[in-house]
Amino acid sequence: DGGITQSPKYLFRKEGQNVTLSCEQNLNHDAMYWYRQDPGQGLRLIYYSQIVNDFQKGDIAEGYSVSREKKESFPLTVTSAQKNPTAFYLCASSIEDRPQHFGDGTRLSIL
Amino acid sequence: LAKTTQPISMDSYEGQEVNITCSHNNIATNDYITWYQQFPSQGPRFIIQGYKTKVTNEVASLFIPADRKSSTLSLPRVSLSDTAVYYCLVGDNRDKIIFGKGTRLHILP
Repeated sequence: DGGITQSPKYLFRKEGQNVTLSCEQNLNHDAMYWYRQDPGQGLRLIYYSQIVNDFQKGDIAEGYSVSREKKESFPLTVTSAQKNPTAFYLCASSIEDRPQHFGDGTRLSIL
Repeated sequence: LAKTTQPISMDSYEGQEVNITCSHNNIATNDYITWYQQFPSQGPRFIIQGYKTKVTNEVASLFIPADRKSSTLSLPRVSLSDTAVYYCLVGDNRDKIIFGKGTRLHILP
């Protein structure tokens, strides 16, 4: 059953720590995306990658980093530089001109 | 990137048809119009996409006038489980897209 898997579903971070959110897809999609969603708000683009070993900053990239070493994986690291990391993080993927397909998100909270 | 405007919230009753309109005055020639549905603590789920005129699938219809500056998502005979946030997006699917705040649809019994 093809899809996008985000893990963990819930994640807690201590102040000053980096944490990495996992996103894996078995849809053979070329493009992958990371979004952040705050309560009652829409999604804001953090980073996106249209091909392996290449990625671009989205609208709110500061305090985040990504890598795209494999087509199926696009991990997001929330660094200590991100001062307000508490949010719902969503990963998506797409191929050619098809709509984006989303995972079910990781909720990050600060202890 | 074209920006969209849609109502912040709507209420309706079970069994009724619901129409949500989205404005996108600056839509580009290559842009599609796409609608997503999102339940709390879940990722958005694709509903329907269109370019012009009318598109229909098993869950919804999408009406797009000739000037493509607006579109209307139509949900036939809604149920309580259709309570969700609905997002209208415009883009060519090959680049980043903008999610607004969406429309919070509340279905009443």
